[in-house]
Amino acid sequence: AAGVIQSPRHLIKEKRETATLKCYPIPRHDTVYWYQQGPGQDPQFLISFYEKMQSDKGSIPDRFSAQQFSDYHSELNMSSLELGDSALYFCASSPGTGFYEQYFGPGTRLTVT
Amino acid sequence: AQRVTQPEKLLSVFKGAPVELKCNYSYSGSPELFWYVQYSRQRLQLLLRHISRESIKGFTADLNKGETSFHLKKPFAQEEDSAMYYCALPASKLTFGTGTRLQVTL
Repeated sequence: AAGVIQSPRHLIKEKRETATLKCYPIPRHDTVYWYQQGPGQDPQFLISFYEKMQSDKGSIPDRFSAQQFSDYHSELNMSSLELGDSALYFCASSPGTGFYEQYFGPGTRLTVT
Repeated sequence: AQRVTQPEKLLSVFKGAPVELKCNYSYSGSPELFWYVQYSRQRLQLLLRHISRESIKGFTADLNKGETSFHLKKPFAQEEDSAMYYCALPASKLTFGTGTRLQVTL
């Protein structure tokens, strides 16, 4: 069965650069979530989209922005990268908002040097 | 505000021993709770949800509203159970606990 796809799997950037992470949800899933997991940390919710509209917002820095496109894929744009942005970024999708199981992608590991 | 607490960062047990991973929650409504598991170098995946009341890989979890707990249990731990376990409270987003690393040794 198709799973959530994230690209790239690994990304190395320098401080103050920009990064774009992509997430392709499971077909027919209309909700996408982004989480950040720092080294040894639990996943922290960043932002979510339902039907291409932002549905909830967590601890996402102002330097980050995200959107969901007409084909339901989502992109997380990160600017002015800082060393502390180094983390594993997970995307998850679900067939709606609320008490649905979220299916996670493999994550993009971002390293900022 | 919703909150999930997992008091143990690490739980180390011998193979064949019983396992209990603790989870307590704070939520104003009627909760739906999940346990997610993350094996080494793999993605987070749902282990079980309380509403389904099923046993997955020998694990069970019962929602105790009086104690606001959703502890994960398995009677006999296996080596392949070694992983990070996260208790999560879903609403418009998942609120994760801080996770418990289960280490099963011979």
